[in-house]
Amino acid sequence: DGGITQSPKYLFRKEGQNVTLSCEQNLNHDAMYWYRQDPGQGLRLIYYSQIVNDFQKGDIAEGYSVSREKKESFPLTVTSAQKNPTAFYLCASSMDRVGHQPQHFGDGTRLSIL
Amino acid sequence: SQQGEEDPQALSIQEGENATMNCSYKTSINNLQWYRQNSGRGLVHLILIRSNEREKHSGRLRVTLDTSKKSSSLLITASRAADTASYFCAFLNQAGTALIFGKGTTLSVSS
Repeated sequence: DGGITQSPKYLFRKEGQNVTLSCEQNLNHDAMYWYRQDPGQGLRLIYYSQIVNDFQKGDIAEGYSVSREKKESFPLTVTSAQKNPTAFYLCASSMDRVGHQPQHFGDGTRLSIL
Repeated sequence: SQQGEEDPQALSIQEGENATMNCSYKTSINNLQWYRQNSGRGLVHLILIRSNEREKHSGRLRVTLDTSKKSSSLLITASRAADTASYFCAFLNQAGTALIFGKGTTLSVSS
C-alpha cells in the first residue's frame, strides 16, 4: 500500500540535544511538508520541499532544519535552538504544487522534553 | 492573519443527526480543502472544492463554497460514531506557497 511513514511514533529529547524525525513516502510525490500541531491548534508549516535538493522555510522554521536528498525522504531535525519543541509533528506529501492537490499525511511523531 | 476560522469550535450530536461546520477565510482562493483528523492520527483529505464550484458531494459529505462571503460549509449527513474527529479547512496562502489550516471543529457523535 502506498503511503507516508513517520518514525518514531514517540520521541523524547533532552536539553541541548538535536533529534531527527523520519518521514518516508512511496507515493512518488514531488512535494513534501512538515507541520507542527499544538494542542487545540491547527497546523503550522515548518518547512516544505517541492523537488529534490530544494526546500523552503515555512512560518515557524526557526530551530528546525531539513534535507531532501531523495524524493522519498524528508527528515526533520529539531535542534537545541528550538526552545519549545513539545508538539505533534506531521509530515505530508502531495503530487505537485502546493495547494492544488490534496495532501497525504503520516500518522505523526509526538515529541516531548525529558 | 491569513488563518481560516472554523465554527463552531466543538459540536456534540447524536448518531443519525446531521453535523454542519463552517469555515471563513480572508483571502482570494483557488480552492478550499477539508480534512479530518482522528485523535492522535494524521489528517485525511476529505474533499477539495474549486473556486468556480458552489457545491460538491462525496458520500455523506456535502461541501458548499460562497466566494462572495469568503466562507465554506461541510455537512455530514446521518452521522455515525465513527465520524467523531476534528475537521479542518485549508486553503492556499496569498503567496501561493503553503496551505493555511484553521484551528478545526471537534465533532463528537454519541450513540
